[in-house]
Amino acid sequence: KAGVTQTPRYLIKTRGQQVTLSCSPISGHRSVSWYQQTPGQGLQFLFEYFSETQRNKGNFPGRFSGRQFSNSRSEMNVSTLELGDSALYLCASSREGSNPQETQYFGPGTRLLVL
Amino acid sequence: AQTVTQSQPEMSVQEAETVTLSCTYDTSESDYYLFWYKQPPSRQMILVIRQEAYKQQNATENRFSVNFQKAAKSFSLKISDSQLGDAAMYFCAYRSASGYQLIWGAGTKLIIKP
Repeated sequence: KAGVTQTPRYLIKTRGQQVTLSCSPISGHRSVSWYQQTPGQGLQFLFEYFSETQRNKGNFPGRFSGRQFSNSRSEMNVSTLELGDSALYLCASSREGSNPQETQYFGPGTRLLVL
Repeated sequence: AQTVTQSQPEMSVQEAETVTLSCTYDTSESDYYLFWYKQPPSRQMILVIRQEAYKQQNATENRFSVNFQKAAKSFSLKISDSQLGDAAMYFCAYRSASGYQLIWGAGTKLIIKP
């Protein structure tokens, strides 16, 4: 079974631009969560999608948005990039997401550098 | 709000020895789950072990075991017979039984000395 995949793996953008990151969950998984990882703030929850609906959202500004498609693939978008958005963005999938006993499987991450 | 604290930024251990990583958390909830995740240099986060708060028995997965002290809100990870492949960042995480998100500690970098 293929694992969680994220594309692209690396991105370099400049301030003010926007970026779209993609995540393909494990086959059969319908819940996709996004996390931001930085040296200063650590790992922070961005949002979670299930059946094309955002079910839970972390404490991030509206510049961070996402969506989920009918095949459970998810994208996150960051508009008007700031230097502080430089981070490793991790995607995780699980079957339903609502059961805490489910294991979340993580992708390799997308490394975003904002110049 | 729940918080997770890992007070050891870095730990080192000799290969084949035992090491314990510390984690404390703060919550007013009684039903929750605790996790240890490993993030090797390749960056893929992997679940190491999970503990349900309502279970008094400490979870064990091969060489990995936890010491869960609910009253003290402590959740330490013991790695026995340390191997070179155990070198990684280890993150402690909390999840409410009624929530969706993981709340993470700052991580502990584990170095294995050959």
